Amino acid sequence: SYELTQPSSVSVSPGQTARITCSGDVLAKKYARWFQQKPGQAPVLVIYKDSERPSGIPERFSGSSSGTTVTLTISGAQVEDEADYYCYSAADNNRGVFGGGTKLTVL
Amino acid sequence: QVQLVESGGGLVKPGGSLRLSCAASGFTFSDYYMSWIRQAPGKGLEWVSYISSSGSTIYYADSVKGRFTISRDNAKNSLYLQMNSLRAEDTAVYYCARAKANLDYWGQGTLVTVSS
Repeated sequence: SYELTQPSSVSVSPGQTARITCSGDVLAKKYARWFQQKPGQAPVLVIYKDSERPSGIPERFSGSSSGTTVTLTISGAQVEDEADYYCYSAADNNRGVFGGGTKLTVL
Repeated sequence: QVQLVESGGGLVKPGGSLRLSCAASGFTFSDYYMSWIRQAPGKGLEWVSYISSSGSTIYYADSVKGRFTISRDNAKNSLYLQMNSLRAEDTAVYYCARAKANLDYWGQGTLVTVSS
């Protein structure tokens, strides 16, 4: 299937590790990307090719992959990391597909 | 620095048409695939379409296929989305983004409202 499933919300205290998962059959064959979106702003790429971090993204953001699940990990989450996070992949049929998004609360 | 600036959004009646533009700067536009993504109010991101660097390869989401047309003008460093037969469910902020997979740069978006 071409669906990506994320938890609707994750909550952590500042300094704790936040983990957001994304599951879908396509992830066994295709790389995942992760985007951070704060209210009123455009999304920002934080992880590409499952685990690569673009320049300018803090080292506390990391990604991993296992089978049909990818995970975005924020080690030592900060209040400023509070945002919506979306996974994304290109499906077998050459269409793009986003996960439903996860609201991360840090407080 | 890479910049993407969308324009052309607005209020349109159901069944109407609108053409969105995305002006690119700060990179060699003709080297990159480009994509359109939308976000309905209070909802998640939805991939809409992408076009290859030459314009020869195009894909659409099933929700817009047959109604929307993506195109580009590499001489003008511009990406377009022609939207016809608009429906209420097309109401969203429309973003252009660089590339088809990594989507590494996004514009700020333009709001399209379909309402009578």
